[in-house]
Amino acid sequence: AQKITQTQPGMFVQEKEAVTLDCTYDTSDQSYGLFWYKQPSSGEMIFLIYQGSYDEQNATEGRYSLNFQKARKSANLVISASQLGDSAMYFCAMREGRFYSNYQLIWGAGTKLIIKP
Amino acid sequence: ETGVTQTPRHLVMGMTNKKSLKCEQHLGHNAMYWYKQSAKKPLELMFVYSLEERVENNSVPSRFSPECPNSSHLFLHLHTLQPEDSALYLCASSQWRLADLYNEQFFGPGTRLTVL
Repeated sequence: AQKITQTQPGMFVQEKEAVTLDCTYDTSDQSYGLFWYKQPSSGEMIFLIYQGSYDEQNATEGRYSLNFQKARKSANLVISASQLGDSAMYFCAMREGRFYSNYQLIWGAGTKLIIKP
Repeated sequence: ETGVTQTPRHLVMGMTNKKSLKCEQHLGHNAMYWYKQSAKKPLELMFVYSLEERVENNSVPSRFSPECPNSSHLFLHLHTLQPEDSALYLCASSQWRLADLYNEQFFGPGTRLTVL
């Protein structure tokens, strides 16, 4: 079973609109961390935002926020006021809390976001 | 140079060639990673080096051979590759701390490898 599921392979959004990228995860650990990365066409993965499983508030970083619904095991990325430069692949990833897997990030398949002018 | 750099950015090689990918991090981190990114597949972690020791090797074929001579440099030596090895190879680094879930990874721009 997939541990990270991103159900939207691609999305088109009008510039300046808000966009929500879906991510659901599966883990039996109580302690875990969730990440979102952006990958422009240049190839480099850029870290956007992090949410720890024990964090009581949703993480925010500028125009990025993470809608964390623990009971539903969902960690959706919300981008407010989208810009043309937001066009990229977006990946959700998880690190589980067990020590032996502390190096591992488990990745979703990604969502391709295209912002229309 | 800043961040994580990778060379070459593009590489085309035949199945009988030997080549090496290079990664250098300028962030003072203690862990380095090789990932493979194939089209329409999640990122696959290949190798992890922490404090210059290999700590993860995720069932990668022996035609891929990593080397970490110091905490700033990481190589991936390639020999007798197959066409299905064509992919984007990403290097990353992080400041690894025990039981730290945050442990953000910083990525290089990748090497686009084509095996003919």
